[in-house]
Amino acid sequence: KQEVTQIPAALSVPEGENLVLNCSFTDSAIYNLQWFRQDPGKGLTSLLLIQSSQREQTSGRLNASLDKSSGRSTLYIAASQPGDSATYLCAVKTGTASKLTFGTGTRLQVTL
Amino acid sequence: GAVVSQHPSWVICKSGTSVKIECRSLDFQATTMFWYRQFPKQSLMLMATSNEGSKATYEQGVEKDKFLINHASLTLSTLTVTSAHPEDSSFYICSAQVGVEGWGSPQHFGDGTRLSIL
Repeated sequence: KQEVTQIPAALSVPEGENLVLNCSFTDSAIYNLQWFRQDPGKGLTSLLLIQSSQREQTSGRLNASLDKSSGRSTLYIAASQPGDSATYLCAVKTGTASKLTFGTGTRLQVTL
Repeated sequence: GAVVSQHPSWVICKSGTSVKIECRSLDFQATTMFWYRQFPKQSLMLMATSNEGSKATYEQGVEKDKFLINHASLTLSTLTVTSAHPEDSSFYICSAQVGVEGWGSPQHFGDGTRLSIL
């Protein structure tokens, strides 16, 4: 059974700092890995999708890497802004049923 | 592109009533839709996988008679919470997948429905 863990569970940083969020998964036989953002009481916004054959993806100030063999992914946020404050979830797609297994999330607060 | 609309966004109802939540893919055809449940400050838990024209596949521990799922078209899936009770109060989120892209395709998520049972 796939298990996804995110570290840290919560993070507070001052504006302008670069930061790294971590995601680890137990079954390396994944199809892809997605990073999402969730604001309080809202749905999910997809940030980046990395296919199993890829090593990283970039979008603006965000960079996600994938090391499938070690079961790890990182989300790098450059020059953080207060608007980046949200919960960040990673999810991996595994199995013939194409299911997503979500991590526990990292609650990020960027302070002025 | 790839917009998923979920309705209603918020519903409050009395215990014992049934509540229907709709999930629509607005600009693409979704062969597969997924329904998730999220408790406060917790992650999303998959409830069921819904394929157009066939019965939904429920995850272990999810009561299929309590949570009725219908996926009658390539753009619409519904979740009906039957005889809802306070313990069914939660945030429900659907997602839709573009089937033709295969297993590597992303899931696109709705904005969720907050259900409160009094």
